[in-house]
Amino acid sequence: QVHLVESGGGVVQPGGSLRLSCAASGFTFSSSAMHWVRQAPGKGLEWVAHMRSDGSKELYADSVKGRFTISRDNSKNTLYLQTNSLRPEDTAVYYCAKDLWGFGAFDIWGQGTMVTVSS
Amino acid sequence: EVVLTQSPGTVSLSPGERATLSCRASQSVRARHLAWYQQKPGQAPRLLIYDASSRATGIADRFSGSGSGTDFTLTISRLEPEDFAVYYCQQFDGARYTFGQGTKLQIK
Repeated sequence: QVHLVESGGGVVQPGGSLRLSCAASGFTFSSSAMHWVRQAPGKGLEWVAHMRSDGSKELYADSVKGRFTISRDNSKNTLYLQTNSLRPEDTAVYYCAKDLWGFGAFDIWGQGTMVTVSS
Repeated sequence: EVVLTQSPGTVSLSPGERATLSCRASQSVRARHLAWYQQKPGQAPRLLIYDASSRATGIADRFSGSGSGTDFTLTISRLEPEDFAVYYCQQFDGARYTFGQGTKLQIK
């Protein structure tokens, strides 16, 4: 059974940092590009970051470029998102999602982890 | 950046009716890189359609996608009670992924 499980969310002050994790199972993680997508409370979906299966390429939304870093450990089947210099507008549920290769779509999603940036 | 505009913002229909949701892009999108998702309250999104018209695994055949260029449509032929949700279109332009703002499909 294909599974993505996020963790690491919480409440953090503006300017703080959090490291999110996404544990994958049920598919060949090392062959799959992965993404982070977020959703602010009551709002729509916003793509955040992408990493190729071998970690050779990263893409970021302009809103997080220079502050967030996506990474992965294929030996642990785990995807990460290091979030620095957090702002109140980064408050959201953060989902990890598996890339549907060749189609630019997200075919498997985790249940998300909540990040709240507040003083 | 490709901006996706979905219409209507909210639509009220009854079970058994047909739903037609629109997604318009600010510039031409490769059909191969156009997808649709369904999201219910408190749940993660679920992929319905990719490649503009291909149903994802396990998706009922009452869901269909069509379109090309800048205009894409998601059609639900006969609404079931479980179909009332928010629907998002999404595209990839080679450098960025963007979503539409969503269409809320509610029971009339």
